[in-house]
Amino acid sequence: DIVMTQSPDSLAVSLGERATINCKSSQSVLHSSNNKNYLAWYQHKPGQAPKLLIYWASTRESGVPDRFGGSGSGTDFTLTISSLQAEDVAVYYCQQYYGFPCSFGQGTKLEIK
Amino acid sequence: EVQLVESGGGLVQPGGSLRLSCAASGFTFSSYWMHWVRQVPGKGLVWVSRISSDGSSTNYADSVKGRFTISRDNAKNTLYLQMSSLRAEDTAVYYCVKKGSEVLDIWGQGTMVTVSS
Repeated sequence: DIVMTQSPDSLAVSLGERATINCKSSQSVLHSSNNKNYLAWYQHKPGQAPKLLIYWASTRESGVPDRFGGSGSGTDFTLTISSLQAEDVAVYYCQQYYGFPCSFGQGTKLEIK
Repeated sequence: EVQLVESGGGLVQPGGSLRLSCAASGFTFSSYWMHWVRQVPGKGLVWVSRISSDGSSTNYADSVKGRFTISRDNAKNTLYLQMSSLRAEDTAVYYCVKKGSEVLDIWGQGTMVTVSS
């Protein structure tokens, strides 16, 4: 199974500042047939359904603000929030859907400093 | 609006059974694979099971294989998870999730299952 490891476990950022969350997979999630990284990012607020933010490592889901950006390839990925808003407080998860079963990182809790 | 609403969670004794349901609306349910993902309180997300769009193919995490059964009724737009021989470590919030073309794109709000005597 592919193991996903996020860093840091928690992060406190001032409003308007940049937040960066890292995700590393135990093996490459880049598919050679289509040159796509099978990596997604989710936002999870307490009591709510998790929300898909990013897929194919860098494609924003419809309706997701453009302050959310994904980058990386192979085994190393980053979720960046360019200017933190109060409503961005949540736990963020990366997920690989390259191998079966799919697997998630342990989560990164993002708070306001 | 695309929506998934889980129900059926609750308190059950170790060794007991419970059936979770997930009512889908706002999309053509019969066209999509569906998944269950769970989250132990304070922990991360863990994949549990999946079922093909027509129900002919199913898969399970090793931790629940032989104890849980996923099924669906496309006429009723409903996904199920029959859980038996429940253990304390099955205590979690269970999420019903729709799989889009490749990625898990729509999640329900979850239903809590507590296994305790």
